[in-house]
Amino acid sequence: EVQLLESGGGLVQPGGSLRLSCTASGFPFSSYAMSWVRQAPGKGLEWVSGISGGGGTTSYADSVKGRFTISRDNSENTLYLQMNSLRAEDTAVYHCAKGPTPYIAAAEFDYWGQGTLVSVSS
Amino acid sequence: EIVMTQSPATLSVSPGERATLSCRASQSVNNNLAWYQQKPGQPPRLLISGSSTRATGIPARFSGSGSGTQFTLTISSLQSEDFAVYYCQQYNNWPPTFGQGTKVEIK
Repeated sequence: EVQLLESGGGLVQPGGSLRLSCTASGFPFSSYAMSWVRQAPGKGLEWVSGISGGGGTTSYADSVKGRFTISRDNSENTLYLQMNSLRAEDTAVYHCAKGPTPYIAAAEFDYWGQGTLVSVSS
Repeated sequence: EIVMTQSPATLSVSPGERATLSCRASQSVNNNLAWYQQKPGQPPRLLISGSSTRATGIPARFSGSGSGTQFTLTISSLQSEDFAVYYCQQYNNWPPTFGQGTKVEIK
């Protein structure tokens, strides 16, 4: 059974930093691209960042480019999102989501984690 | 980026009735369109990919159709567990983008 478990969310002041983690199980982690997708309270879904199965290719939404960094440790089956220079508009539940192939090409997301809440406020 | 527009925002349906949800893309996405179901406090669940292919374990009462810019998700006979928010997502162009959602509520 595929499981994705996020952690690392919390309350942070504007300009602060946070690192999210997503621990995966139930599938060969390195064989699949992974993404972070966020959902502001009461709002819809926004793709944030993606990384290829091998970790060599990454991509970011314009709204987070230069502030967020996605990475993965395939030996630990873990996906990360380093978030710097946080803004109030980054407040959201952050889900990790699995792609159907190793490639970072746009695709559907076939499994999602429960998410971790990031709140940016003074 | 491609803008996805869903209608209606809210759909009130009685159990056992058919629900028809629409999704329109600002430019052609071919058949690279997915549908998700999200219940309160839960992550999205993939229902349909490739416009019409049901994901593993998804009941046959869920069907998808369309190509290009116009897509439809049909729930043939609503069950109590189907009341939720439904999102479409295009993955033809980068970045992948989602519609704003349609809430299916009990009439």
